[in-house]
Amino acid sequence: QSALTQPASVSGSPGQSITISCTGTSSDVGGSNFVSWYQQHPGKAPKLMIFEVSTRPSGVSNRFSGSKSGNTASLTISGLQAEDEADYYCCSNAGIREVFGGGTKLTVL
Amino acid sequence: EVQLVESGGGLVQPGGSLRLSCAASGFTFSNYWMHWVRQAPGKGLVWVSRVNGDGSATSYADSVKGRFTISRDNAKNTLYLQMDSLTAEDTAVYYCARFMGGYWGQGTLVTVSS
Repeated sequence: QSALTQPASVSGSPGQSITISCTGTSSDVGGSNFVSWYQQHPGKAPKLMIFEVSTRPSGVSNRFSGSKSGNTASLTISGLQAEDEADYYCCSNAGIREVFGGGTKLTVL
Repeated sequence: EVQLVESGGGLVQPGGSLRLSCAASGFTFSNYWMHWVRQAPGKGLVWVSRVNGDGSATSYADSVKGRFTISRDNAKNTLYLQMDSLTAEDTAVYYCARFMGGYWGQGTLVTVSS
């Protein structure tokens, strides 16, 4: 049960856009519409930012968007703000189990 | 308001057991799959286990299969995780979560050490 592959870190300046990738296999990301993204600030519980590949929960800024192509899902954050600095995790259903990505640390320069 | 409150964490010796609880409120508990997710200190999120609404279907990560047991008491709106044969690698903050809607508890720390 391998974790989904995410870059360890990404960075961007305020106002810029960044994209975090999440690569799995046809058994998870590629074969599931249940791909979600979480934001986690230090010492806090994860917060759902995107579910079902591209749907934003109520209250989440429209600066956050999700997509998927083949076995890779992506989270794009536009108009970076200082408050976006956090760890981001993708998560995919994989049949009878769930699998998370290793996490990506976003630094806002 | 949906709330999930974990309890039962603490310090346990290697080979020992611990039972975590997660008290749910603010929604019809029996209608939802529930999950346990853990996070070792300084590490990422790892899915541990899930159970369906009536408790009849469960699944586990390979790393805990045969040692951990997930269950629920819908009359008490409570989710459980029985953890046996604990090792240092099980040291983590354990979160209960309702993935639908993205609701998570605050987590409870389990430390396995002699």
